[in-house]
Amino acid sequence: DTGVSQDPRHKITKRGQNVTFRCDPISEHNRLYWYRQTLGQGPEFLTYFQNEAQLEKSRLLSDRFSAERPKGSFSTLEIQRTEQGDSAMYLCASSLAGVGFVEYFGPGTRLTVL
Amino acid sequence: GESVGLHLPTLSVQEGDNSIINCAYSNSASDYFIWYKQESGKGPQFIIDIRSNMDKRQGQRVTVLLNKTVKHLSLQIAATQPGDSAVYFCAENRGGSNYKLTFGKGTLLTVNP
Repeated sequence: DTGVSQDPRHKITKRGQNVTFRCDPISEHNRLYWYRQTLGQGPEFLTYFQNEAQLEKSRLLSDRFSAERPKGSFSTLEIQRTEQGDSAMYLCASSLAGVGFVEYFGPGTRLTVL
Repeated sequence: GESVGLHLPTLSVQEGDNSIINCAYSNSASDYFIWYKQESGKGPQFIIDIRSNMDKRQGQRVTVLLNKTVKHLSLQIAATQPGDSAVYFCAENRGGSNYKLTFGKGTLLTVNP
């Protein structure tokens, strides 16, 4: 399978703990996006990278959130001092610059903060 | 604020019928629209896209119609099957250097056998 992969698929943590998620995009894709989705809602944009550069961050991305894509391939999303309101599905997507705007999504990481 | 929204949150159809899922958008600068299908516990899956310079595009069993005059988008699914049961989202790209997608809330399609 050469699609977008995410790890872990599920994460349960206690409030105040730090968590880190990983995304591996489709191999030739140079753009990578993170979205958050809560129950019954559409995905909400968090941030995106072109190669290793983080080009845009949503106001949803508080200072407890940080994303990296150090070598322009996989990306990590870290949430520090998790809160119950952080419980959501975190989706990663990738695309190839210059080839339309379709973003291909991974299966997501379901975060539950107790 | 400007957003992409949906007329109906749920749609129930009989297997074999045609389904029509609607979407309204408010940003006249949007130049690209995508329909995604999301099954329970999975990420959104690309179905079909359309640029603003088109008014219709067809895929396999799906057709997207774009009416820029009233800022309306629809997804038509022919001969709906139980495997089509999912939440359907329309998403817009607002063009220029803005690469992110803005999603609506979604329509839950249920196909009854």
